[in-house]
Amino acid sequence: RKEVEQDPGPFNVPEGATVAFNCTYSNSASQSFFWYRQDCRKEPKLLMSVYSSGNEDGRFTAQLNRASQYISLLIRDSKLSDSATYLCVRGGSQGNLIFGKGTKLSVKP
Amino acid sequence: NAGVMQNPRHLVRRRGQEARLRCSPMKGHSHVYWYRQLPEEGLKFMVYLQKENIIDESGMPKERFSAEFPKEGPSILRIQQVVRGDSAAYFCASSQTGQDNVLTFGAGSRLTVL
Repeated sequence: RKEVEQDPGPFNVPEGATVAFNCTYSNSASQSFFWYRQDCRKEPKLLMSVYSSGNEDGRFTAQLNRASQYISLLIRDSKLSDSATYLCVRGGSQGNLIFGKGTKLSVKP
Repeated sequence: NAGVMQNPRHLVRRRGQEARLRCSPMKGHSHVYWYRQLPEEGLKFMVYLQKENIIDESGMPKERFSAEFPKEGPSILRIQQVVRGDSAAYFCASSQTGQDNVLTFGAGSRLTVL
């Protein structure tokens, strides 16, 4: 089983739609989780950290379910500029990050 | 604050040549991580270095790849005798503490092997 698993997509949605991504992780000892965004041929950028209590940042909501070992990201009111690959990430030992392969989102007008 | 600087941004090599990729961490950061991203794949951890020390090289291929982070100067990822399968984006990230999973990424170096 891969360390961090995501549906690669692509998710093709119209502007204004709500879209949800899930990811699962295999290491139950993991403490830190994140969602990163990566635009084509660019470096990954931190979108938000993920907490058990759930956290929201504008149109983005992230949730962690430790019992089921999955993480979710909800994007409301999708914009064209949200088109990107969304990377599910868990924190490793020694400050490292372990990345999923990413879920590709394409928002259409 | 210039952020994490990587160069060259693009590098073309023929099979059998050597590739050297450089990474200057953010000011005040002494922890450097290298990742490789193959086409259509996720980022894979390669190596974690602190000044003059390799802390974790569990993701490095056993042959042809090496990394260093000298006391002075940038971190260098060196690939000897490149093969076509080495074509990828190589990202460097730096951290201030090496503890908190807070990494700042550079723009990456794209290696193409002909």
